[in-house]
Amino acid sequence: AQKVTQTQTSISVMEKTTVTMDCVYETQDSSYFLFWYKQTASGEIVFLIRQDSYKKENATVGHYSLNFQKPKSSIGLIITATQIEDSAVYFCAMRENNNRIFFGDGTQLVVKP
Amino acid sequence: GGIITQTPKFLIGQEGQKLTLKCQQNFNHDTMYWYRQDSGKGLRLIYYSITENDLQKGDLSEGYDASREKKSSFSLTVTSAQKNEMAVFLCASSIDRANSDYTFGSGTRLLVI
Repeated sequence: AQKVTQTQTSISVMEKTTVTMDCVYETQDSSYFLFWYKQTASGEIVFLIRQDSYKKENATVGHYSLNFQKPKSSIGLIITATQIEDSAVYFCAMRENNNRIFFGDGTQLVVKP
Repeated sequence: GGIITQTPKFLIGQEGQKLTLKCQQNFNHDTMYWYRQDSGKGLRLIYYSITENDLQKGDLSEGYDASREKKSSFSLTVTSAQKNEMAVFLCASSIDRANSDYTFGSGTRLLVI
């Protein structure tokens, strides 16, 4: 069974709007860490934002924020005021109390002018 | 700032050939990883290493060998390249801490003819 699931394969939005990308995860650990990464067209993968499972407050970094719903094992990524440069593939990931991060299959975001 | 370097950037091999991919990082990170990404897909873990001379199998280790002779370097060997195989191999590293994100290399693009 997949530990991290992203059901949206592709999303298309207009520039300057807000988009939410969904992600659900599966773990037995009481403490874990959730991440979102962005892969650009060049293939470069960069870390965007992290949510620690024991924190109730949703993480925010720049125009990225998270919607953490622990009872639903859900960690959505919200991008406000989208820009053309936000067009990329976004990966959700989870790290349990070992050294591994499990990745979802990614959601392709297209931001149109 | 540090850097994680993968060589070569592009690799063309022949069916049955043994091919080696290299990864170097100067972050002094403990843990290093090799992932495979097929076109339009997510990341699948091949091998990882939590310290020098340590090797841990991932979900996709069959057909691959790995070597971590120094803390700063982690190599991956495709033991017998499969005809028409095409994928990107991504190296990553992280601090040995559960809330630590990954830093990724820029990838090695493999094509087997």
